[in-house]
Amino acid sequence: DQQVKQNSPSLSVQEGRISILNCDYTNSMFDYFLWYKKYPAEGPTFLISISSIKDKNEDGRFTVFLNKSAKHLSLHIVPSQPGDSAVYFCAARMEYGNKLVFGAGTILRVKS
Amino acid sequence: NAGVMQNPRHLVRRRGQEARLRCSPMKGHSHVYWYRQLPEEGLKFMVYLQKENIIDESGMPKERFSAEFPKEGPSILRIQQVVRGDSAAYFCASSPLPIWLNTEAFFGQGTRLTVV
Repeated sequence: DQQVKQNSPSLSVQEGRISILNCDYTNSMFDYFLWYKKYPAEGPTFLISISSIKDKNEDGRFTVFLNKSAKHLSLHIVPSQPGDSAVYFCAARMEYGNKLVFGAGTILRVKS
Repeated sequence: NAGVMQNPRHLVRRRGQEARLRCSPMKGHSHVYWYRQLPEEGLKFMVYLQKENIIDESGMPKERFSAEFPKEGPSILRIQQVVRGDSAAYFCASSPLPIWLNTEAFFGQGTRLTVV
């Protein structure tokens, strides 16, 4: 039962352009959403999060958008840099929940 | 301030042996979470522990798997009588407060378990 889905296994973007990573969820009880970045042989690193009471959160080059009615969120990276090449995981948590539910990840490749 | 430390980084076990994975949380963190990542999949929650207590083990397989977080020392994830399907990357995370307070959980580098 995949409650968090990242339907694009990979994405390739030119340096300097925008990267858009998408995530869909099915559980309307999810209250808080996060994006993690993961390099090979390392653990996931927190990037940015958004609460369900907001529709946008921005942190430097990273912006997360949440569309609750569509149960969809996206991560925008502008401008993309080669160092952004990694696997990006979308995760969700229920209100008062103890666990994060992760998507399968999207491999982002930023070409220079 | 050292991050979350997991050891060993790589562990090879024969079928039927026991695997012990260790996790030392960040200093000041009393909340520990274990996740497993199978190939081509996302991380799956296994268990949440707070010092000496198992808070949520809803993701743990019913048999062969156990976890502890003693008063002193690291958290241990123990897998008895390992099978090939246990081969995965096991990640530990820690946080200073429960994550439902929107505090960040920091992940370790993981232990890659290979069962041969």
